[in-house]
Amino acid sequence: QSVLTQPPSVSAAPGQNVAISCSGSSSNIGNNYVSWYQQVPGTAPKLLIYDNNMRPSGIPDRFSGSKSGTSATLGITGLQTGDEADYYCGTWDNSLSAGVFGGGTKLSVL
Amino acid sequence: EVQLMESGGGLVQPGGSLRLSCAASGFTFSKYAMGWVRQAPGEGLEWVSSIGASDGTTYYADSVKGRFTISRENRKNTVYLQMNSLTDEDTAVYFCAKGLGVIRAAQLAVWGKGTTVTVSS
Repeated sequence: QSVLTQPPSVSAAPGQNVAISCSGSSSNIGNNYVSWYQQVPGTAPKLLIYDNNMRPSGIPDRFSGSKSGTSATLGITGLQTGDEADYYCGTWDNSLSAGVFGGGTKLSVL
Repeated sequence: EVQLMESGGGLVQPGGSLRLSCAASGFTFSKYAMGWVRQAPGEGLEWVSSIGASDGTTYYADSVKGRFTISRENRKNTVYLQMNSLTDEDTAVYFCAKGLGVIRAAQLAVWGKGTTVTVSS
């Protein structure tokens, strides 16, 4: 059971938009920055969003992040088949004094 | 280019030990926290441990506390994960990652390709 809760899967057609939610508590998301990672199966995760809504260099602006209270959301616009991957949210948990991830969301672009 | 290369994975018997290494290049290693994350077969990411940039402050997931030890040698640009009392639940791909901050690797900017640890008799 993950500390952060994500939907197991989402799907949408190419060109459409999708939002992936990540729910936590005051000990983690509520008081720490959230980051998002993309992982194509068989490869290493890649940082997509940090500090809730910042994109590293090279990440297209089709990817966005937001945070409100104890929840965060990853938005992807103009879906492409290459966006098919697993997406994870992550943050720090002050009670655990450890990093925590969501269980991951599998994005299918149909 | 920032690069992280893990090594040291392999097959180990339950109760055994293994030390993973992660060689870093392309950035000022001594200025960033470093971390380890693992992924069991078919499962999601699990944060394992983090070490601060200069004071060496360490953090551990409850699942490995008391069994795993993270350390770093800034002069060698290398971070280590000593794993003792291994069980089959430790079987996973272990990723090394560069933190965004100085004190703890909570947000992970760059990841290595991973090294596989298999615990089995």
